[in-house]
Amino acid sequence: GQQVMQIPQYQHVQEGEDFTTYCNSSTTLSNIQWYKQRPGGHPVFLIQLVKSGEVKKQKRLTFQFGEAKKNSSLHITATQTTDVGTYFCAVLKTSYDKVIFGPGTSLSVIP
Amino acid sequence: DAGVIQSPRHEVTEMGQEVTLRCKPISGHNSLFWYRQTMMRGLELLIYFNNNVPIDDSGMPEDRFSAKMPNASFSTLKIQPSEPRDSAVYFCASSLLTGLNTEAFFGQGTRLTVV
Repeated sequence: GQQVMQIPQYQHVQEGEDFTTYCNSSTTLSNIQWYKQRPGGHPVFLIQLVKSGEVKKQKRLTFQFGEAKKNSSLHITATQTTDVGTYFCAVLKTSYDKVIFGPGTSLSVIP
Repeated sequence: DAGVIQSPRHEVTEMGQEVTLRCKPISGHNSLFWYRQTMMRGLELLIYFNNNVPIDDSGMPEDRFSAKMPNASFSTLKIQPSEPRDSAVYFCASSLLTGLNTEAFFGQGTRLTVV
């Protein structure tokens, strides 16, 4: 079946440092989504990438879709305490139109 | 719109009891998902409905779990009998699947504790 891996599993950074999480798939993806879940909260949609090599930015967040559409990254510049949470990538399994989540990267920001 | 509404927010029950979790999706959405989240296994997709029809229930762990969607505005996830290992946060999410638009909107979740 379709598997999605994320690295790292955990990341602790000093406030102001940059942070990157990577999502890798064993198969070519039609699209990829990123979600953020704050501690005690629920996943919230951040963005969707569709095109090969696509790069999208949201303020300090930069999302990239690999050229082969098998991997993606989320980069946060100059982290803040509000960035704390778990970041999930999610992929669409087109045979059933269902969304499968990766294991997530948990980000801690030390003030 | 109020978003996806789940009830109850918290449930504590004794092993062997029946548990029913409820979900009201966003009006107009055609797809509904039930997920289970634990520290060990992460966010697992249990079952997926499209236009009220169960499309894929391969994630349902055992026969003790069942889900229904009698109409477009309501779904239930039932566990009977419940066991301590069912303790987790259960999320319901809905989506309007149009082509490649698959953004899922999550409810606040139900935190289930089986003792």
